[in-house]
Parts: sequence; C-alpha cells; structure tokens
Amino acid sequence: GNSVTQMEGPVTLSEEAFLTINCTYTATGYPSLFWYVQYPGEGLQLLLKATKADDKGSNKGFEATYRKETTSFHLEKGSVQVSDSAVYFCALSSYNFNKFYFGSGTKLNVKP
Amino acid sequence: DTGVSQNPRHKITKRGQNVTFRCDPISEHNRLYWYRQTLGQGPEFLTYFQNEAQLEKSRLLSDRFSAERPKGSFSTLEIQRTEQGDSAMYLCASSSKARDRAYEQYFGPGTRLTVT
Repeated sequence: GNSVTQMEGPVTLSEEAFLTINCTYTATGYPSLFWYVQYPGEGLQLLLKATKADDKGSNKGFEATYRKETTSFHLEKGSVQVSDSAVYFCALSSYNFNKFYFGSGTKLNVKP
Repeated sequence: DTGVSQNPRHKITKRGQNVTFRCDPISEHNRLYWYRQTLGQGPEFLTYFQNEAQLEKSRLLSDRFSAERPKGSFSTLEIQRTEQGDSAMYLCASSSKARDRAYEQYFGPGTRLTVT
C-alpha cells in the first residue's frame, strides 16, 4: 500500500541555519510527491511538488528531489528564517491523483 | 477566486446526533476531496469526487459517513450518530490540472468537530 513517513519534530533551528526534514515513502505505481506547509492559524498550502523520479521541486528557497532509488523526498532550505516556522507535511498521490497520503507532519521552530 | 470555503468553522454536538458540513470549492475545480485530521497527525483521506461522481472512498470510512456533491459544485459531508472518536478537523480540498498535468490541491480552513 501507500504510506509516507517523515521525521518527528519539533525541529528547532536558529535563523540562517540549514534545514533538512526527512521524508520516505512506500508506493505502488508511479506516485507524485508533495510538500505542504501549515503556518500558525492558517490552512494547508502547497509548497512544492515533483511528479517523476529525479525531478526537483522548489519554491521560496525550499527544495526537494524525488529519489526513487531511496524512496525519499527530503525537504531542504539553505538558510531558514523566523517566518518559516510552521508545520511541514510530506504527501504522495496515487498515479491518477485520486487519493493522497500525508505524513504526520514536522513542526519547525526557527529562533532569531 | 475566493478560495475553498467550509461551513461551519466549528461544530459542537452531543454524541448520537447527526452533523453535516459544507464545502464550496474553487469554482473551476472539478475535483474535490475530504480529509480528517486529528491533533498531531496529517490529513487522512476520506473520499474524492470528480464532478458529481464519488470515485474513491477510504476503507476506513464507516457507514455512518456519507458525502455528496450534487451538480458537481459544493459538497456536503454528513456524519450520523456521532461518536466521541469523530472529534477532529474535517478538511476539504479542491483541485484542477496544472500545466505539468499534476493536480494541485487547495485546502479550505476546515471544520472543527467536537463531540461531547
């Protein structure tokens, strides 16, 4: 079956530190992979996506590469800001986008 | 484009009562999804509509849950005979095909259900 596992939080970093949030998946077929972000008091927003192996998704300085050989889609950012404090969710979709599977979320706290 | 809206935002009900939530998707989106999210967890898929057709339903969804999307516009999610375990945030998302053919979901703010 399909599932997503992401590292537990919270992750606490100082401003300008390097961020990695690990995400691995189990899937049948050819899934697409996503990172969603939920800022305090707001709804889920799409951060970035990758639809096939070796694709790199990027947005707002965040990047993630779809690695089929390691079934991973780790989120990275070179220099985090206080405004990046949020909960980050890794997700995959079935090949036809009929179903989506989310990880349990990783809370990121960035201190000034 | 006013985004996905959900009503009510909060609902408190007594165990055994029926509740109904409404989702209004982004107008041009033909796909609509319902999720349930409990504290500290990610959204859990419940069901999916393409236009008015319900094409996917989670095996975890009990018979007390039913969803409709008449005319392919707004959708309703009804929970009959609510139980305390139904307390959660219920999220709706809509989507349409992006340029790369992937479907990007836009989420509503959710309806928080508390069953007492």
